[in-house]
Amino acid sequence: DAGVIQSPRHEVTEMGQEVTLRCKPISGHNSLFWYRQTMMRGLELLIYFNNNVPIDDSGMPEDRFSAKMPNASFSTLKIQPSEPRDSAVYFCASSGPPVGYNEQFFGPGTRLTVL
Amino acid sequence: GQQLNQSPQSMFIQEGEDVSMNCTSSSIFNTWLWYKQEPGEGPVLLIALYKAGELTSNGRLTAQFGITRKDSFLNISASIPSDVGIYFCAGVSNSNYQLIWGAGTKLIIKP
Repeated sequence: DAGVIQSPRHEVTEMGQEVTLRCKPISGHNSLFWYRQTMMRGLELLIYFNNNVPIDDSGMPEDRFSAKMPNASFSTLKIQPSEPRDSAVYFCASSGPPVGYNEQFFGPGTRLTVL
Repeated sequence: GQQLNQSPQSMFIQEGEDVSMNCTSSSIFNTWLWYKQEPGEGPVLLIALYKAGELTSNGRLTAQFGITRKDSFLNISASIPSDVGIYFCAGVSNSNYQLIWGAGTKLIIKP
């Protein structure tokens, strides 16, 4: 079975540009999470979707960040405009049947560099 | 807020040695998870624990859910080079989907 798929794996952009990160969760999972990982802050939960509905976006740092989940197999995280401090690795994770919803399965991540 | 203390921060060991790491919390959790992360990859789930006192193995890995529900440990027996990576614990409290993460234990195997 395919795991969580993220694209792109690497993104280098200039400050002020729009960045869109994409995620395909594991088929059948009904929960999706976006995380950001940095050396300084570790793994931070940005937003959580359940059945395609955003449940908790309290971790989204600013209005520059937005996330959508138009259907059960696709989600995007958008940063507009991007800033150098947004540089980090962004992970998407999903959970759901048949295992417990606490068991989150991570994608390979998107390494974002904002110059 | 809830915090997890994971120790040690790093370990330098010889191939073949056993490894032990643990996480403690001031709060009660109903689930403990152990993940491994290798460079350039996302965390991979190793073991999930759901009951206090539960002891679960996955190959050479063994993890336990503490009786107090405030701690968990992970043991790796007879370490091999591919065990290198960062190991994270994560806990989930009642009725809360959010994982609370430890800071990680970096495992390095001396050549």
